[in-house]
Amino acid sequence: GAGVSQTPSNKVTEKGKYVELRCDPISGHTALYWYRQSLGQGPEFLIYFQGTGAADDSGLPNDRFFAVRPEGSVSTLKIQRTERGDSAMYLCASSLYFRPYEQYFGPGTRLTVT
Amino acid sequence: QKEVEQNSGPLSVPEGAIASLNCTYSDRGSQSFFWYRQYSGKSPELIMSIYSNGDKEDGRFTAQLNKASQYVSLLIRDSQPSDSATYLCAVPGTGGSEKLVFGKGTKLTVNP
Repeated sequence: GAGVSQTPSNKVTEKGKYVELRCDPISGHTALYWYRQSLGQGPEFLIYFQGTGAADDSGLPNDRFFAVRPEGSVSTLKIQRTERGDSAMYLCASSLYFRPYEQYFGPGTRLTVT
Repeated sequence: QKEVEQNSGPLSVPEGAIASLNCTYSDRGSQSFFWYRQYSGKSPELIMSIYSNGDKEDGRFTAQLNKASQYVSLLIRDSQPSDSATYLCAVPGTGGSEKLVFGKGTKLTVNP
């Protein structure tokens, strides 16, 4: 079946602008995760959804970052007033409810803030 | 805050050799451990999970866990050039969250 998809694959934006990154998980996966990965680093957790609700948003760096999953499927990560330090690969993953750590990652969105 | 430490490498081995990748973790209470492989420019994919002390084998891959030493390793037998990638060690986060805490990864190069 289809894997996790993310759009756009690349996003270049100017400092101070607003961006939205979209993730479409594997069908039937109730859990959805957002991570951020910088060059030479492992993925860093941002937020986790179980169904429609954010079960853990402890990784969001500040209030410029927000994510939603209104219907329990597609999720959108929203970043306001982007800064150059937000530049990174944003990865989305999904998993089955009873296998939370077997996470399937999407191809990512490369965000560049100029 | 859980921490996962890996030697960033690069680790270079000849084709056919055994590649040994190591990971230490800070939380003695960790119960499960995962190895993800990430090819250059691609996203991570799960290749091994291990939950109890000892060895777990899957094809050419063997995961080894020593909870007393807070140490988990991944052995790749008969290494192939296609194994060249970054290998990420991960443990579950604290507080019952389903998030994963990843190490920085070890870059492996298998030379033909």
